[in-house]
Amino acid sequence: AQSVTQLDSQVPVFEEAPVELRCNYSSSVSVYLFWYVQYPNQGLQLLLKYLSGSTLVKGINGFEAEFNKSQTSFHLRKPSVHISDTAEYFCAVSDPSGNTGKLIFGQGTTLQVKP
Amino acid sequence: NAGVTQTPKFQVLKTGQSMTLQCAQDMNHNSMYWYRQDPGMGLRLIYYSASEGTTDKGEVPNGYNVSRLNKREFSLRLESAAPSQTSVYFCASSPLLGTTDTQYFGPGTRLTVL
Repeated sequence: AQSVTQLDSQVPVFEEAPVELRCNYSSSVSVYLFWYVQYPNQGLQLLLKYLSGSTLVKGINGFEAEFNKSQTSFHLRKPSVHISDTAEYFCAVSDPSGNTGKLIFGQGTTLQVKP
Repeated sequence: NAGVTQTPKFQVLKTGQSMTLQCAQDMNHNSMYWYRQDPGMGLRLIYYSASEGTTDKGEVPNGYNVSRLNKREFSLRLESAAPSQTSVYFCASSPLLGTTDTQYFGPGTRLTVL
């Protein structure tokens, strides 16, 4: 069975500092990987996704993530955060072989950007 | 283009009461999903619908029923609410039931069961 672990429940960081949100997954088959962001009192929206090809994926709002198959990780990074990046971030995995469209989400990481 | 809309936004129920959460999308998507979000547990899939007329169980279907009324609408029903169903419920849709598809989420319904 697949699972996703987000290693930090909360990440406080000062504005304009770099940030990394960590995500590890476990799966016996190849997977597709996603990062979603949830701003306060809103639904989730897609930041980026890895399907195949280049292991460095660029998303919206200056975020990027690197797929590392040997370490089964998909960490999210941003070189300089803004106050507006304060939100909850979810890593998710889907199973290409099942073709059901179902996503398995991690527990979420709250990014708190301080002035 | 409103995307995915959900009603109501907030609801308080007493144990044993029933209610239906409504979801609609205007993106002509084929697939729709219901998730619940609980603190420290991420989102868990309750039910999904690959296309109009079909529904399937997700990870946590017990205590819920769904109806795919037409291509636009996918409702979630709690027949006899329990305090364990206190949660935030999200509806989502995607163009196809594919593992590469982006899912588009509604704003959520905050449900409290007393």
